[in-house]
Amino acid sequence: QKEVEQDPGPLSVPEGAIVSLNCTYSNSAFQYFMWYRQYSRKGPELLMYTYSSGNKEDGRFTAQVDKSSKYISLFIRDSQPSDSATYLCAMSWDSSASKIIFGSGTRLSIRP
Amino acid sequence: EPEVTQTPSHQVTQMGQEVILRCVPISNHLYFYWYRQILGQKVEFLVSFYNNEISEKSEIFDDQFSVERPDGSNFTLKIRSTKLEDSAMYFCASSVSDRAPSTDTQYFGPGTRLTVL
Repeated sequence: QKEVEQDPGPLSVPEGAIVSLNCTYSNSAFQYFMWYRQYSRKGPELLMYTYSSGNKEDGRFTAQVDKSSKYISLFIRDSQPSDSATYLCAMSWDSSASKIIFGSGTRLSIRP
Repeated sequence: EPEVTQTPSHQVTQMGQEVILRCVPISNHLYFYWYRQILGQKVEFLVSFYNNEISEKSEIFDDQFSVERPDGSNFTLKIRSTKLEDSAMYFCASSVSDRAPSTDTQYFGPGTRLTVL
């Protein structure tokens, strides 16, 4: 079983839709949960970070962590064409950057 | 806004050749990293570097790899004798502290695509 699993997509939704991106994981020791956005020909950019369980909201973005189900989600409200990118989930068991395990990424396309 | 830069954007080399990938981290950052992403696969940690020393390295970072900060601005990754399986996108990143992302953010460069023929 892979440590972090993420549906590669592609996911295509109309502008204005709510987008739900998800990852599952197997290692119950993970404490730090992140979402990165990666535009074409660019490096990953940290979008959201959550420690342990719960929700975190930042503008149109909401990150949710359900440790009991080993499941994390990123919701994008009022999606825009500029949100079109690959979204990587990532997690680690301590706060050291070297311990981050990335998902394979979901390619998202927002249709105008 | 300050950003991490990497050169070249694409490097093609023959198997067995040495390559040096270059990065210029953000100027006030103290921690530097290299990651690799094989096409269609996950981003993988290679090495972290602080105070002119390797802080941590992964199993991937074997004797064929080395890192250096030759001057006050550049951070390089050298692969001594490239193999076909080294073909990947290599990302450099930097951060102020090593506690990313809990208290800090790593900033990634745009990557260098390495193709080994």
